[in-house]
Amino acid sequence: GENVEQHPSTLSVQEGDSAVIKCTYSDSASNYFPWYKQELGKRPQLIIDIRSNVGEKKDQRIAVTLNKTAKHFSLHITETQPEDSAVYFCAASKNSGYSTLTFGKGTMLLVSP
Amino acid sequence: DAGVIQSPRHEVTEMGQEVTLRCKPISGHDYLFWYRQTMMRGLELLIYFNNNVPIDDSGMPEDRFSAKMPNASFSTLKIQPSEPRDSAVYFCASSQGTSGYTFGSGTRLTVV
Repeated sequence: GENVEQHPSTLSVQEGDSAVIKCTYSDSASNYFPWYKQELGKRPQLIIDIRSNVGEKKDQRIAVTLNKTAKHFSLHITETQPEDSAVYFCAASKNSGYSTLTFGKGTMLLVSP
Repeated sequence: DAGVIQSPRHEVTEMGQEVTLRCKPISGHDYLFWYRQTMMRGLELLIYFNNNVPIDDSGMPEDRFSAKMPNASFSTLKIQPSEPRDSAVYFCASSQGTSGYTFGSGTRLTVV
């Protein structure tokens, strides 16, 4: 089955800096890659996703990049703010989403004022 | 839409007792997933349904776990008998085809 590795497990940055979280996947058939943000004690919430027919997608301060050849994808957050502090999960799925998501172990992002 | 609704939010029970977790998916969503979250293992898929039919239950840890979806608007996850190692946050999520999951608020289960 699919295996998703996520790095780093924790990431501390100063407010205003950029943050990058990286994931690799094992199944070349995977073609849907969402990112979830989970604040302490709350539910994971979808923040951005990318499908394998594009290499990059942006939404304000966040962006995702996908390298299908290398089987890795990354989340980029620019101009970080304290409210970005949370655990971020990457995930991968086959069949454009008509399938289960396999999640990475998560990255705890701490943004210091 | 009120989103995915789970109940109870918190459950504390004694070892050996039966526990039932409940989930109401978003209306119109045809997939429903049960995940378990722990610090050590992260988010683990337990079982998922498509149009109320269980598709893959290979993630259910033991026969003590069972899940049902009697109709499109309701699902249960039952643990009988419960054990301390079952303590975790259990999330229900639903989706419609290629849309991303929407998670419920989760049930924090503590078995003492």
